[in-house]
Amino acid sequence: EAGVAQSPRYKIIEKRQSVAFWCNPISGHATLYWYQQILGQGPKLLIQFQNNGVVDDSQLPKDRFSAERLKGVDSTLKIQPAKLEDSAVYLCASSFGKNLSPLHFGNGTRLTVT
Amino acid sequence: ELKVEQNPLFLSMQEGKNYTIYCNYSTTSDRLYWYRQDPGKSLESLFVLLSNGAVKQEGRLMASLDTKARLSTLHITAAVHDLSATYFCAVPLGYNNNDMRFGAGTRLTVKP
Repeated sequence: EAGVAQSPRYKIIEKRQSVAFWCNPISGHATLYWYQQILGQGPKLLIQFQNNGVVDDSQLPKDRFSAERLKGVDSTLKIQPAKLEDSAVYLCASSFGKNLSPLHFGNGTRLTVT
Repeated sequence: ELKVEQNPLFLSMQEGKNYTIYCNYSTTSDRLYWYRQDPGKSLESLFVLLSNGAVKQEGRLMASLDTKARLSTLHITAAVHDLSATYFCAVPLGYNNNDMRFGAGTRLTVKP
């Protein structure tokens, strides 16, 4: 089966600029997650979608981050304006949504904010 | 708040040796997941542990879960270089919630 697709693979921007990341989950996976992984740390959940509804966005910095999952399939994560501390790898993951299934991760987008 | 702690954070070992990575978590959970991450790559699911006393083995890796002690272990037997990677444990927030909290990871280096 095709895996979780993410783009772009790398992005370099200056602080205060905006950036958007795209994710296409595995077909049939109802649940989609965006994680932020800072170098040397474990992934931190930013937002979780079930179909096109938000399940958990408690750790999303809503003053600058936004995400949407239109039609319950693809998702975009946006940062506006970016800060230096946003430099990280942004991982998209998906799962069937059943509580026993592991997450399937994409290759991530490495963001560098200068 | 759920906290997930792994130790050690860094592990350098010789090929052929055995070692155990520990994962402690702070609140009740009936499930725990182990993932592997190679440098520059994404996370790959290794084990899903679904109940107290669960033990899973794949090759030279064996994972176990003790929900009463809130502890999981990942045991490495006769390490080989190909096992060099970062290993993460992850605990879901709730029974009907797959929102995972990850440990900081254990960076394993296996030397010849």
